[in-house]
Amino acid sequence: DAGITQSPRYKITETGRQVTLMCHQTWSHSYMFWYRQDLGHGLRLIYYSAAADITDKGEVPDGYVVSRSKTENFPLTLESATRSQTSVYFCASSVIGAPYEQYFGPGTRLTVT
Amino acid sequence: ELKVEQNPLFLSMQEGKNYTIYCNYSTTSDRLYWYRQDPGKSLESLFVLLSNGAVKQEGRLMASLDTKARLSTLHITAAVHDLSATYFCAGGNNDMRFGAGTRLTVKP
Repeated sequence: DAGITQSPRYKITETGRQVTLMCHQTWSHSYMFWYRQDLGHGLRLIYYSAAADITDKGEVPDGYVVSRSKTENFPLTLESATRSQTSVYFCASSVIGAPYEQYFGPGTRLTVT
Repeated sequence: ELKVEQNPLFLSMQEGKNYTIYCNYSTTSDRLYWYRQDPGKSLESLFVLLSNGAVKQEGRLMASLDTKARLSTLHITAAVHDLSATYFCAGGNNDMRFGAGTRLTVKP
């Protein structure tokens, strides 16, 4: 029972590079989410997806691109990484309807130099 | 746009004492969530509150929701060291907004 996994767990990249963070869930949950966590800000939603091929912007979408061709995968791409995107990124998933709980992955710590 | 504010942001307690963390939110929210996060770890769901007056309890933690006051509380009873963590509340539907978190330290 793998649940929800993220890869890589740690990543260092340079400013201007493209980087993709992967999220995979084995529960067949309809909803998937990407958050970033920065000190003093709690978690902020970047993008979310209600189903394959359906995505929506969250609170801080600028500089990020998502896709969802398969229910189980929800990659997050930083097209041209900036230092302000240094953060811990969490993926989460949930079912449609009650109990509405979101289940979080282990996180990816991204450093942009 | 929903805004969520928690207080206090830092809380140092002695074991055996009771305390409450407050979560205020700015606009109507269908759901209110409480999460726990240990240092360097992911978030663990504690409670999901769906209606006015909802109260849920798990061990030494009890969460409640007052939608009219736009307030949720997380009450800690007879704190123990194992409860040391950061606690987040969050509101909204799929476009969820988190509070900044309350870092709780329980001292012997």
